[in-house]
Amino acid sequence: GQNIDQPTEMTATEGAIVQINCTYQTSGFNGLFWYQQHAGEAPTFLSYNVLDGLEEKGRFSSFLSRSKGYSYLLLKELQMKDSASYLCAALDSNYQLIWGAGTKLIIKP
Amino acid sequence: DGGITQSPKYLFRKEGQNVTLSCEQNLNHDAMYWYRQDPGQGLRLIYYSQIVNDFQKGDIAEGYSVSREKKESFPLTVTSAQKNPTAFYLCASSTLGEIAKNIQYFGAGTRLSVL
Repeated sequence: GQNIDQPTEMTATEGAIVQINCTYQTSGFNGLFWYQQHAGEAPTFLSYNVLDGLEEKGRFSSFLSRSKGYSYLLLKELQMKDSASYLCAALDSNYQLIWGAGTKLIIKP
Repeated sequence: DGGITQSPKYLFRKEGQNVTLSCEQNLNHDAMYWYRQDPGQGLRLIYYSQIVNDFQKGDIAEGYSVSREKKESFPLTVTSAQKNPTAFYLCASSTLGEIAKNIQYFGAGTRLSVL
């Protein structure tokens, strides 16, 4: 079956760095997405990786290893507004998104 | 401003009642999607449509129905056959030109509860 695993919850301190991991098993693979979702709101697109390596976008970076079925989202210089859930999703061979349950990130002052 | 509008924000359903959730987009996107989100679970695909007058079932289509009469609109009906409808419903859209990336843009969601 198809499966996405990510931690349920993580806590970090304002100004610090946090890494949110995601492992995936899908029928075929056409890319890995990260979305941010604040409580009660719509998910918003953060990043897309299809090739191995690190993609940097401001304070956020995303890494992919296709051979290991692994990705992480790295958030630097954490701000209180980064408190949200972070959703990992993999695009399978039918170009359908398979979603993880999300990681709730709590930022403490 | 371009975007996706879902209404209502909150909806209550009585037992045996059908209710319809609205989703409208002015992004000129070809593809539209309906997801259900439950606590502690990933988004689950209910239905999707890539072209007007055509749509496909997702993983959990039972108890739901959709229509796509206009490119801009993709309403979802939660029928009385759906025995556990309480959830957060999200509508999304994407361009087919970006299908290899499939970046989906979401509406603000409708929270459905059973009375």
